[in-house]
Amino acid sequence: DAGITQSPRHKVTETGTPVTLRCHQTENHRYMYWYRQDPGHGLRLIHYSYGVKDTDKGEVSDGYSVSRSKTEDFLLTLESATSSQTSVYFCATNRDTNEKLFFGSGTQLSVL
Amino acid sequence: QKEVEQDPGPLSVPEGAIVSLNCTYSNSAFQYFMWYRQYSRKGPELLMYTYSSGNKEDGRFTAQVDKSSKYISLFIRDSQPSDSATYLCAMRRAGGTSYGKLTFGQGTILTVHP
Repeated sequence: DAGITQSPRHKVTETGTPVTLRCHQTENHRYMYWYRQDPGHGLRLIHYSYGVKDTDKGEVSDGYSVSRSKTEDFLLTLESATSSQTSVYFCATNRDTNEKLFFGSGTQLSVL
Repeated sequence: QKEVEQDPGPLSVPEGAIVSLNCTYSNSAFQYFMWYRQYSRKGPELLMYTYSSGNKEDGRFTAQVDKSSKYISLFIRDSQPSDSATYLCAMRRAGGTSYGKLTFGQGTILTVHP
């Protein structure tokens, strides 16, 4: 998976608790993205980053925040998890916007 | 209405069959078109990448884009059991702030049985 590590791989949490997912890349790619994948919806962009401390919202950003303090790390935080945030979360990176995306192996998150 | 529509299947074919996977889209600003393959419990990986209308061939895979009809296809010839996966179409606008922000179809689950 092109040097992209997502942690944890699986997590079960309760409604109302904060959750942080981590994406770590060793490719020195400038751009990083968080997607969620749900049946019937494909992958939808949550947030993306175009450099250290530079982030912006995607199409389904409500209830999520991100931070990128180092090139290699991109964190996704669910401030107060809800059952609708049960999903598989994928991190992706690319060196340039015209280059292909490399995806991590995903984090399966269940909010009970 | 979703910007990109893809029949989720599932699609089951015998080994050696020709497989046709399709997506339609509504946004005429899309200029770059991709097909990703996703094996179970893995992240998607890029299979084919095309710009604007036309065909592109890579081994057993052919991608077609018809911008006038807002329709893209992926053909798999001589399908193999190892082709069993979910296939996702994806597309994005050109330039500006589009970055790597892709719009995906729902994915089609393909099973090739021996």
